Amino acid sequence: QQPVQSPQAVILREGEDAVINCSSSKALYSVHWYRQKHGEAPVFLMILLKGGEQKGHDKISASFNEKKQQSSLYLTASQLSYSGTYFCGTEVGGTSYGKLTFGQGTILTVHP
Amino acid sequence: DAGVIQSPRHEVTEMGQEVTLRCKPISGHDYLFWYRQTMMRGLELLIYFNNNVPIDDSGMPEDRFSAKMPNASFSTLKIQPSEPRDSAVYFCAGRGQGAGGYTFGSGTRLTVV
Repeated sequence: QQPVQSPQAVILREGEDAVINCSSSKALYSVHWYRQKHGEAPVFLMILLKGGEQKGHDKISASFNEKKQQSSLYLTASQLSYSGTYFCGTEVGGTSYGKLTFGQGTILTVHP
Repeated sequence: DAGVIQSPRHEVTEMGQEVTLRCKPISGHDYLFWYRQTMMRGLELLIYFNNNVPIDDSGMPEDRFSAKMPNASFSTLKIQPSEPRDSAVYFCAGRGQGAGGYTFGSGTRLTVV
C-alpha cells in the first residue's frame, strides 16, 4: 500500500523552511527520501532505519517515528536548488527486503 | 563509475509493436528494480531482481510485459504488443546490500502512438 505524503505542494521564498510528511499504514523497516527535478531521475537524499533516528544532510534533515510509522523531511533556509518533487519510499523488510513503495510526491517550488 | 545506464533515452513506437528497454546496473549492486512513472499513478514498481533472480513481479501489469536479467550487468524489460496506455517513463534502479539508497538510471521515455 502506497505511503501518503503531505502536503501535495509547497511554495516558498528563498530562505524559508518547509516540512514534508510521509505516513504509512504498515510497520516499516526503513524510509527513504528522494528528490526529482523535472525531466530527471529521482536522486537519493537519505535513509532512516527503524529505531526512530534522525539524520541531517546540510540543511536537509529527516526524522522517523517508528511507533507512528511516520517520517518527516525538514528543509531549512531553502535555496532555489531545492525545487523539485520529493518522494518518500517505504520498505517493510522481511521477504520484501530491498523493495520500496513510493508516495505520490510533494512538489516544492522555491522562488527568489 | 558511469552509474546506471538505460537505453534508449526516448522511444516512439506504434501500437502493436514490440519494445525492448535495456539497463546496465552499477557493478556490485545486487538488487535491480524496474519502475514505471506516470502523472496519474506515480512511481510504480514493476519487478525486481536479487542476484539476477526475479523476486517479485506482482507489479507487472499484464502478460504483455516481461523482464529478464541474464547476468549481473544487464537487464531488459520487454513489452509485446505495446499499447498507448504503456506510455510512461521507465526507470531502472539498483541497490547494493546494506542500508543504502537506490541509484536510478536516466530513464526511458516511451511513447506508444
